[in-house]
Amino acid sequence: GQSLEQPSEVTAVEGAIVQINCTYQTSGFYGLSWYQQHDGGAPTFLSYNALDGLEETGRFSSFLSRSDSYGYLLLQELQMKDSASYFCAVRRPTDSWGKFQFGAGTQVVVTP
Amino acid sequence: DVKVTQSSRYLVKRTGEKVFLECVQDMDHENMFWYRQDPGLGLRLIYFSYDVKMKEKGDIPEGYSVSREKKERFSLILESASTNQTSMYLCASSFGRGNSPLHFGNGTRLTVT
Repeated sequence: GQSLEQPSEVTAVEGAIVQINCTYQTSGFYGLSWYQQHDGGAPTFLSYNALDGLEETGRFSSFLSRSDSYGYLLLQELQMKDSASYFCAVRRPTDSWGKFQFGAGTQVVVTP
Repeated sequence: DVKVTQSSRYLVKRTGEKVFLECVQDMDHENMFWYRQDPGLGLRLIYFSYDVKMKEKGDIPEGYSVSREKKERFSLILESASTNQTSMYLCASSFGRGNSPLHFGNGTRLTVT
């Protein structure tokens, strides 16, 4: 099964705020990454949290709490172009360095 | 900008055929990866390579092999394609070790009939 859990779908209206949670079932991992993928497109890197706390990049913010094995991606001032799938990813200390684990993805649907 | 190019966008193959998926990156990245993407399962790592001729199994290597003869090129091989290998295949590359971001290609949608 999935080691990383995220909601399968979130729907919100333009201008709203959406939070996508990502939880990891076992303790210990090297940071949390987020990727965005539009339909038919390649996943693209959004953010990486190496340390606990909030990282802000424009309308998007990402948060990490390593002690809680939990993080989230916050999308503010939603725009239609934000409709996409969002994946969280981690690398576990017990894995070979190249083995990133991805969540199943959250489909964000932005409505007018 | 890093460019990761996958040779085919769509492929249709028959069961039992040998299939080659090719990937080329233009940024001199050491690392290259092959992922498989299926609905509800996210991205699952098949193989990755951290140097020419070096490879390491990912989480689902069964039924696949890889080749990296040149730094910029990473090939995924299905020795005998089966219908359960129908999927979207994504190639990625990254720089160095640690948590450098992955740069993905646009994917190859493979259908095995």
